Amino acid sequence: GQQLNQSPQSMFIQEGEDVSMNCTSSSIFNTWLWYKQDPGEGPVLLIALYKAGELTSNGRLTAQFGITRKDSFLNISASIPSDVGIYFCAALDSNYQLIWGAGTKLIIKP
Amino acid sequence: DTEVTQTPKHLVMGMTNKKSLKCEQHMGHRAMYWYKQKAKKPPELMFVYSYEKLSINESVPSRFSPECPNSSLLNLHLHALQPEDSALYLCASSLWQGVHNEQFFGPGTRLTVL
Repeated sequence: GQQLNQSPQSMFIQEGEDVSMNCTSSSIFNTWLWYKQDPGEGPVLLIALYKAGELTSNGRLTAQFGITRKDSFLNISASIPSDVGIYFCAALDSNYQLIWGAGTKLIIKP
Repeated sequence: DTEVTQTPKHLVMGMTNKKSLKCEQHMGHRAMYWYKQKAKKPPELMFVYSYEKLSINESVPSRFSPECPNSSLLNLHLHALQPEDSALYLCASSLWQGVHNEQFFGPGTRLTVL
């Protein structure tokens, strides 16, 4: 079936660092979404992307819809402690259901 | 109002119990979803309701029974569950089941089956 390959699996970051993560697929998608999930909570929608090549920001977060429509990237600038959590990419398939990446876990270095 | 609410937050039940999970949204969304999420995994789709009609059942065992009483409410009835059904159950909604389907999630119900 369709899969999204999300990397990295986890990241150790220091406060103030910039963070990058990405999702790739062998299939073309027309909508890419990025969610963040805190422990014991539901995923929160961060950014939605609808057009190939589109670059969208939400505060310190910036996401891009790849020009090939097979990938997407999320960048977080100047990370802060509350950025820790699991970030999921998701894409809308032809049945309008979400296909999910495995998640990127963001951890703050002590 | 831009949120999806779920009750209860936590639920512990025995394998012979019958319980229900509830979900509510007042965003005027016409598509509602149930997902199951195991630890360290992404959500797995269980059911989709579109305009109050069941449109997708992802081969979910019959011990899970969804219900959509109206456009704002979604229930998941549980009966004779197994310990492996313990998970975080998430409800989500979207404007409709179609293009530009941004799904908004509730906080989830943490279910433990003993």
